[in-house]
Amino acid sequence: AQKITQTQPGMFVQEKEAVTLDCTYDTSDPSYGLFWYKQPSSGEMIFLIYQGSYDQQNATEVRYSLNFQKARKSANLVISASQLGDSAMYFCAMGGYSTLTFGKGTMLLVSP
Amino acid sequence: AAGVIQSPRHLIKEKRETATLKCYPIPRHDTVYWYQQGPGQDPQFLISFYEKMQSDKGSIPDRFSAQQFSDYHSELNMSSLELGDSALYFCASSLGFGSNTGELFFGEGSRLTVL
Repeated sequence: AQKITQTQPGMFVQEKEAVTLDCTYDTSDPSYGLFWYKQPSSGEMIFLIYQGSYDQQNATEVRYSLNFQKARKSANLVISASQLGDSAMYFCAMGGYSTLTFGKGTMLLVSP
Repeated sequence: AAGVIQSPRHLIKEKRETATLKCYPIPRHDTVYWYQQGPGQDPQFLISFYEKMQSDKGSIPDRFSAQQFSDYHSELNMSSLELGDSALYFCASSLGFGSNTGELFFGEGSRLTVL
């Protein structure tokens, strides 16, 4: 069984600061993928970044990077230079050979 | 680039009625997933299809059924609707098992309200 844990229900950050959203996972699958999605109040699920379990380097996408520590089973999302538009719910998710399992999410609020 | 298309975006139904949600995957994608997200909840997996065959099943009620058609679009049929079925329903698509490739994307969701 797969399990995703996001321990931060909410995070506050000031504009232009960096923020780290935590995610730990557990799985028995030898091959898996880790995803981060952003869900604004409008409801859509926006893909941010992906890390495969066999990828040697941490994934990066513009202002997003995924701090993947396989031995610790963690896949934290780092957002550099936060913007007001980053205020949203952020979900960490993991997939093995089939479906995605989501964490409970972290609500990020960016203040001016 | 083409994305996952879901219709309708919003749907209002009465209790005990039936609703059908449609999902059109990204071109070339052969796998479709359905998720249900209740208010303030994380998305819960309902069911998935790969090459028109059911590939996995989650917490889908017996009142719900789904299928994937020859053109790879999928429909989620919900009967005897209950108040608790009010939720955002997401469809996602991937090429093969997208969990291993990262190519797994969600539609904008269909918001169902049951009165």
